[in-house]
Amino acid sequence: SQTIHQWPATLVQPVGSPLSLECTVEGTSNPNLYWYRQAAGRGLQLLFYSVGIGQISSEVPQNLSASRPQDRQFILSSKKLLLSDSGFYLCAWGHGTGAITDTQYFGPGTRLTVL
Amino acid sequence: AQKITQTQPGMFVQEKEAVTLDCTYDTSDQSYGLFWYKQPSSGEMIFLIYQGSYDEQNATEGRYSLNFQKARKSANLVISASQLGDSAMYFCAMREPYNTDKLIFGTGTRLQVFP
Repeated sequence: SQTIHQWPATLVQPVGSPLSLECTVEGTSNPNLYWYRQAAGRGLQLLFYSVGIGQISSEVPQNLSASRPQDRQFILSSKKLLLSDSGFYLCAWGHGTGAITDTQYFGPGTRLTVL
Repeated sequence: AQKITQTQPGMFVQEKEAVTLDCTYDTSDQSYGLFWYKQPSSGEMIFLIYQGSYDEQNATEGRYSLNFQKARKSANLVISASQLGDSAMYFCAMREPYNTDKLIFGTGTRLQVFP
């Protein structure tokens, strides 16, 4: 069965510091990978998605970036965090078959607080 | 562009009663998929149920069923025999195959089950 991991689970960082959040998937090959952000009490905002190694699509221009160095690894980064980067970051994967039944499955999330 | 609307910010239901969470959508495509996710206080997004636009029968998954009315463009989630553990945020989402692999989420409904 497939599992998805995210770390760290929680993170408190000062403004201006760098960020690196990691997501890995097990039990599947060549998945689509996604990074979402959720502000407190709000819905999900898609930040980046990737259909393969080195292929990143950005949905929202901001000071965040994403990379996919390996098939099942997805990294969210920032060189300098802003207060507005605080939120709950969720990684998700999908089979990427192109079928309308292709569901996305989410990891446990990382709660980021920028002070 | 496609859009998902959840008009109920919060719902209350007594334990063992049924509850319906509303979701309406807007799309010009004929082929699309609809999803419901549950987000407990822990934050993880849990996939509940899926409905395809060409499915003739309403989807069911245990105590969850989807009241799909294509002409009205609604896909309401019905939870039967509510349990205290059903207290969570519930998100409706839609996917279109001719666009990308993205899911578009509604703003969510917070369900609280009381004894």
